[in-house]
Amino acid sequence: DAGVIQSPRHEVTEMGQEVTLRCKPISGHDYLFWYRQTMMRGLELLIYFNNNVPIDDSGMPEDRFSAKMPNASFSTLKIQPSEPRDSAVYFCASSWTHAAEQYFGPGTRLTVT
Amino acid sequence: EDQVTQSPEALRLQEGESSSLNCSYTVSGLRGLFWYRQDPGKGPEFLFTLYSAGEEKEKERLKATLTKKESFLHITAPKPEDSATYLCAVRNQGGKLIFGQGTELSVKP
Repeated sequence: DAGVIQSPRHEVTEMGQEVTLRCKPISGHDYLFWYRQTMMRGLELLIYFNNNVPIDDSGMPEDRFSAKMPNASFSTLKIQPSEPRDSAVYFCASSWTHAAEQYFGPGTRLTVT
Repeated sequence: EDQVTQSPEALRLQEGESSSLNCSYTVSGLRGLFWYRQDPGKGPEFLFTLYSAGEEKEKERLKATLTKKESFLHITAPKPEDSATYLCAVRNQGGKLIFGQGTELSVKP
């Protein structure tokens, strides 16, 4: 398997613009997780899905953030409008079960100017 | 509040110089402790899961151990390719993974 795939790998945008990050989980994994990593706060869970259904979005910082999973092989994380404080590395991860280890993608480095 | 604290923040070793990384945690009902390795510009890579005090797991030069309040990642005779940031995470009763800030390990030849 190719592992978790994320795109784009790097995104530079201006404040106020819409940003969409994409993720393809490992085939057969029922759980998908979105994380954000910053130097100040480390790795934080934003939201996770089970069988394409959002289960816990308590980590989503504001209404500007939204996530969808239209099918088992694709998920998006959208920020609209983006702000400089959203600059971070965003990771997608997937796992077979909620208790199993999570496998991370390579991340998307987002810079908002 | 669930919390994970890793120490030291950074560790510099000479090749072959064994050492340990610490992960202290407070969590509401531990449902597993996870160790990950993260290389610059990459996502975390899974290493180990530990579930109960006294449990140990090994992989090459790495050995992870668990007590009721902390976990250690022992590195025996490290090589330069072991240089990375090592992340510890605990799964709480609600199923969420709480990550520590990591220990940045540098092994010099």
